[in-house]
Amino acid sequence: EDQVTQSPEALRLQEGESSSLNCSYTVSGLRGLFWYRQDPGKGPEFLFTLYSAGEEKEKERLKATLTKKESFLHITAPKPEDSATYLCAVQVSGGSNYKLTFGKGTLLTVNP
Amino acid sequence: GAGVSQTPSNKVTEKGKYVELRCDPISGHTALYWYRQSLGQGPEFLIYFQGTGAADDSGLPNDRFFAVRPEGSVSTLKIQRTERGDSAVYLCASSLSVLEGQFFGPGTRLTVL
Repeated sequence: EDQVTQSPEALRLQEGESSSLNCSYTVSGLRGLFWYRQDPGKGPEFLFTLYSAGEEKEKERLKATLTKKESFLHITAPKPEDSATYLCAVQVSGGSNYKLTFGKGTLLTVNP
Repeated sequence: GAGVSQTPSNKVTEKGKYVELRCDPISGHTALYWYRQSLGQGPEFLIYFQGTGAADDSGLPNDRFFAVRPEGSVSTLKIQRTERGDSAVYLCASSLSVLEGQFFGPGTRLTVL
Protein backbone atom coordinates (compact mmCIF):
# COMPACT_ATOMS: atom_id res chain seq x y z
CA GLU A 1 0.00 0.00 0.00
CA ASP A 2 1.26 3.46 -0.91
CA GLN A 3 2.10 5.55 2.14
CA VAL A 4 3.10 9.16 2.69
CA THR A 5 4.33 10.39 6.07
CA GLN A 6 5.01 14.03 6.82
CA SER A 7 7.03 15.41 9.71
CA PRO A 8 6.85 17.29 11.90
CA GLU A 9 3.07 17.53 12.33
CA ALA A 10 3.49 21.16 13.40
CA LEU A 11 6.38 23.60 13.25
CA ARG A 12 6.62 27.04 14.80
CA LEU A 13 9.34 29.39 13.51
CA GLN A 14 10.38 32.95 14.11
CA GLU A 15 10.40 35.22 11.08
CA GLY A 16 13.71 34.71 9.27
CA GLU A 17 14.42 31.32 10.90
CA SER A 18 15.03 28.83 8.07
CA SER A 19 13.96 25.19 8.37
CA SER A 20 12.84 22.10 6.43
CA LEU A 21 9.72 19.98 6.24
CA ASN A 22 10.00 16.27 5.50
CA CYS A 23 7.87 13.96 3.36
CA SER A 24 8.81 10.28 3.31
CA TYR A 25 7.04 7.90 0.98
CA THR A 26 6.65 4.20 0.26
CA VAL A 27 5.27 3.42 -3.17
CA SER A 28 5.53 0.65 -5.74
CA GLY A 29 6.82 3.09 -8.33
CA LEU A 30 6.90 6.88 -8.20
CA ARG A 31 5.63 8.90 -11.14
CA GLY A 32 5.66 12.25 -9.33
CA LEU A 33 5.75 13.91 -5.94
CA PHE A 34 3.66 17.03 -5.37
CA TRP A 35 3.79 19.81 -2.80
CA TYR A 36 0.73 21.90 -2.00
CA ARG A 37 0.05 24.76 0.38
CA GLN A 38 -3.33 24.94 2.11
CA ASP A 39 -4.62 27.98 3.97
CA PRO A 40 -7.48 27.60 6.50
CA GLY A 41 -10.83 27.21 4.76
CA LYS A 42 -9.25 27.01 1.30
CA GLY A 43 -8.41 24.27 -1.14
CA PRO A 44 -4.81 23.11 -1.64
CA GLU A 45 -2.70 25.41 -3.82
CA PHE A 46 -0.23 23.71 -6.15
CA LEU A 47 3.45 24.52 -5.50
CA PHE A 48 5.78 21.97 -7.13
CA THR A 49 6.01 18.64 -8.93
CA LEU A 50 9.20 16.56 -8.69
CA TYR A 51 9.72 13.53 -10.89
CA SER A 52 13.14 12.05 -10.27
CA ALA A 53 15.72 11.72 -7.48
CA GLY A 54 18.07 14.67 -7.41
CA GLU A 55 15.54 17.08 -8.87
CA GLU A 56 15.10 20.47 -7.20
CA LYS A 57 12.57 23.26 -7.75
CA GLU A 58 12.39 26.73 -6.24
CA LYS A 59 9.73 29.36 -5.79
CA GLU A 60 10.46 32.50 -3.80
CA ARG A 61 11.52 31.33 -0.31
CA LEU A 62 10.65 27.68 -0.97
CA LYS A 63 12.84 24.94 -2.41
CA ALA A 64 11.74 21.35 -2.88
CA THR A 65 14.15 18.44 -3.27
CA LEU A 66 13.62 14.74 -3.95
CA THR A 67 15.48 11.54 -3.11
CA LYS A 68 14.43 7.93 -3.67
CA LYS A 69 12.72 7.77 -0.28
CA GLU A 70 11.79 11.31 0.72
CA SER A 71 11.32 14.91 -0.23
CA PHE A 72 12.20 18.05 1.66
CA LEU A 73 10.58 21.46 1.49
CA HIS A 74 13.17 24.01 2.57
CA ILE A 75 11.92 27.39 3.73
CA THR A 76 14.52 30.14 3.71
CA ALA A 77 14.00 33.25 5.87
CA PRO A 78 10.26 32.65 6.24
CA LYS A 79 7.73 35.44 6.67
CA PRO A 80 4.42 35.35 8.59
CA GLU A 81 2.55 35.04 5.28
CA ASP A 82 4.23 31.64 4.77
CA SER A 83 2.11 30.29 7.64
CA ALA A 84 -0.08 27.50 6.26
CA THR A 85 -0.40 23.72 6.12
CA TYR A 86 1.98 22.16 3.61
CA LEU A 87 0.79 18.94 2.03
CA CYS A 88 2.85 16.36 0.21
CA ALA A 89 1.29 13.88 -2.24
CA VAL A 90 2.56 11.08 -4.47
CA GLN A 91 1.35 9.81 -7.78
CA VAL A 92 2.37 6.27 -8.67
CA SER A 93 3.37 4.92 -12.04
CA GLY A 94 1.18 2.31 -13.66
CA GLY A 95 -2.58 1.81 -13.63
CA SER A 96 -3.61 4.38 -11.01
CA ASN A 97 -1.29 7.14 -12.15
CA TYR A 98 -4.00 9.82 -11.86
CA LYS A 99 -4.62 9.44 -8.12
CA LEU A 100 -2.87 11.60 -5.52
CA THR A 101 -2.12 9.99 -2.16
CA PHE A 102 -1.59 12.69 0.45
CA GLY A 103 0.18 12.88 3.77
CA LYS A 104 -1.50 14.53 6.74
CA GLY A 105 0.43 17.75 6.28
CA THR A 106 2.71 19.97 8.35
CA LEU A 107 1.15 23.02 9.99
CA LEU A 108 3.70 25.82 9.75
CA THR A 109 3.37 28.93 11.90
CA VAL A 110 5.78 31.83 11.38
CA ASN A 111 5.75 34.40 14.13
CA PRO A 112 6.74 38.03 13.45
CA GLY B 1 -8.07 32.88 -15.67
CA ALA B 2 -10.82 31.35 -13.58
CA GLY B 3 -9.89 28.51 -11.31
CA VAL B 4 -11.95 25.55 -10.15
CA SER B 5 -15.17 26.66 -8.50
CA GLN B 6 -17.40 24.70 -6.14
CA THR B 7 -20.89 25.35 -4.87
CA PRO B 8 -22.17 25.63 -2.26
CA SER B 9 -19.23 26.65 -0.09
CA ASN B 10 -21.07 25.35 2.96
CA LYS B 11 -23.91 22.87 3.27
CA VAL B 12 -25.66 21.92 6.50
CA THR B 13 -28.14 19.09 6.29
CA GLU B 14 -29.92 16.63 8.52
CA LYS B 15 -29.14 12.96 8.81
CA GLY B 16 -30.95 10.99 6.13
CA LYS B 17 -31.26 13.84 3.63
CA TYR B 18 -29.95 13.94 0.05
CA VAL B 19 -27.30 16.47 -1.03
CA GLU B 20 -25.68 17.53 -4.28
CA LEU B 21 -22.28 19.22 -4.51
CA ARG B 22 -21.25 20.95 -7.73
CA CYS B 23 -17.85 21.44 -9.32
CA ASP B 24 -16.93 23.69 -12.26
CA PRO B 25 -13.44 22.74 -13.49
CA ILE B 26 -10.95 24.96 -15.26
CA SER B 27 -12.02 25.40 -18.88
CA GLY B 28 -10.39 22.83 -21.16
CA HIS B 29 -9.41 20.45 -18.36
CA THR B 30 -10.54 16.97 -19.34
CA ALA B 31 -9.56 15.25 -16.09
CA LEU B 32 -11.66 15.88 -12.97
CA TYR B 33 -11.24 14.46 -9.49
CA TRP B 34 -13.17 14.46 -6.22
CA TYR B 35 -11.42 14.16 -2.87
CA ARG B 36 -12.67 14.25 0.71
CA GLN B 37 -10.76 15.91 3.55
CA SER B 38 -11.49 15.32 7.21
CA LEU B 39 -10.16 17.57 9.95
CA GLY B 40 -6.42 17.16 10.44
CA GLN B 41 -6.06 14.80 7.48
CA GLY B 42 -4.87 15.10 3.92
CA PRO B 43 -7.37 14.82 1.07
CA GLU B 44 -8.49 11.28 0.18
CA PHE B 45 -9.31 10.24 -3.37
CA LEU B 46 -12.94 9.50 -4.20
CA ILE B 47 -13.42 9.40 -7.97
CA TYR B 48 -11.73 10.33 -11.26
CA PHE B 49 -13.40 11.36 -14.52
CA GLN B 50 -11.76 11.44 -17.92
CA GLY B 51 -14.22 13.30 -20.09
CA THR B 52 -17.75 12.17 -19.31
CA GLY B 53 -16.95 8.77 -17.89
CA ALA B 54 -15.93 7.78 -14.39
CA ALA B 55 -12.61 6.04 -15.01
CA ASP B 56 -12.14 5.08 -11.36
CA ASP B 57 -14.71 5.33 -8.57
CA SER B 58 -12.88 2.99 -6.20
CA GLY B 59 -12.56 5.69 -3.53
CA LEU B 60 -16.29 6.21 -3.06
CA PRO B 61 -17.05 4.96 0.47
CA ASN B 62 -20.28 3.09 -0.37
CA ASP B 63 -23.23 3.07 -2.74
CA ARG B 64 -24.79 6.15 -1.13
CA PHE B 65 -22.19 8.19 -3.04
CA PHE B 66 -22.48 8.80 -6.76
CA ALA B 67 -20.98 11.34 -9.15
CA VAL B 68 -21.75 12.41 -12.70
CA ARG B 69 -20.18 14.57 -15.38
CA PRO B 70 -22.71 14.38 -18.23
CA GLU B 71 -21.14 16.86 -20.66
CA GLY B 72 -17.51 16.44 -19.74
CA SER B 73 -17.30 19.72 -17.85
CA VAL B 74 -19.36 20.36 -14.69
CA SER B 75 -19.55 17.49 -12.21
CA THR B 76 -22.00 16.79 -9.42
CA LEU B 77 -21.28 14.62 -6.39
CA LYS B 78 -24.48 13.17 -4.96
CA ILE B 79 -24.87 11.72 -1.49
CA GLN B 80 -28.03 9.86 -0.49
CA ARG B 81 -29.26 9.21 3.05
CA THR B 82 -26.50 11.31 4.56
CA GLU B 83 -24.87 10.17 7.80
CA ARG B 84 -22.98 12.18 10.43
CA GLY B 85 -19.79 10.46 9.32
CA ASP B 86 -20.14 12.06 5.89
CA SER B 87 -19.29 15.45 7.43
CA ALA B 88 -16.07 16.68 5.80
CA VAL B 89 -14.75 19.09 3.19
CA TYR B 90 -15.35 17.80 -0.32
CA LEU B 91 -12.69 19.01 -2.75
CA CYS B 92 -12.79 19.00 -6.52
CA ALA B 93 -9.69 19.22 -8.71
CA SER B 94 -9.04 19.32 -12.43
CA SER B 95 -6.07 18.92 -14.75
CA LEU B 96 -5.29 19.09 -18.46
CA SER B 97 -4.35 15.44 -18.33
CA VAL B 98 -3.33 12.89 -15.70
CA LEU B 99 0.29 13.81 -16.39
CA GLU B 100 -0.26 17.42 -15.34
CA GLY B 101 -0.63 18.96 -11.87
CA GLN B 102 -4.08 18.94 -10.29
CA PHE B 103 -5.65 22.28 -9.40
CA PHE B 104 -8.08 22.31 -6.52
CA GLY B 105 -11.21 24.30 -5.84
CA PRO B 106 -12.04 25.90 -2.47
CA GLY B 107 -14.12 22.92 -1.36
CA THR B 108 -17.62 22.42 0.01
CA ARG B 109 -17.83 22.00 3.78
CA LEU B 110 -20.62 19.47 4.44
CA THR B 111 -22.05 19.21 7.94
CA VAL B 112 -24.57 16.48 8.70
CA LEU B 113 -26.48 17.09 11.91
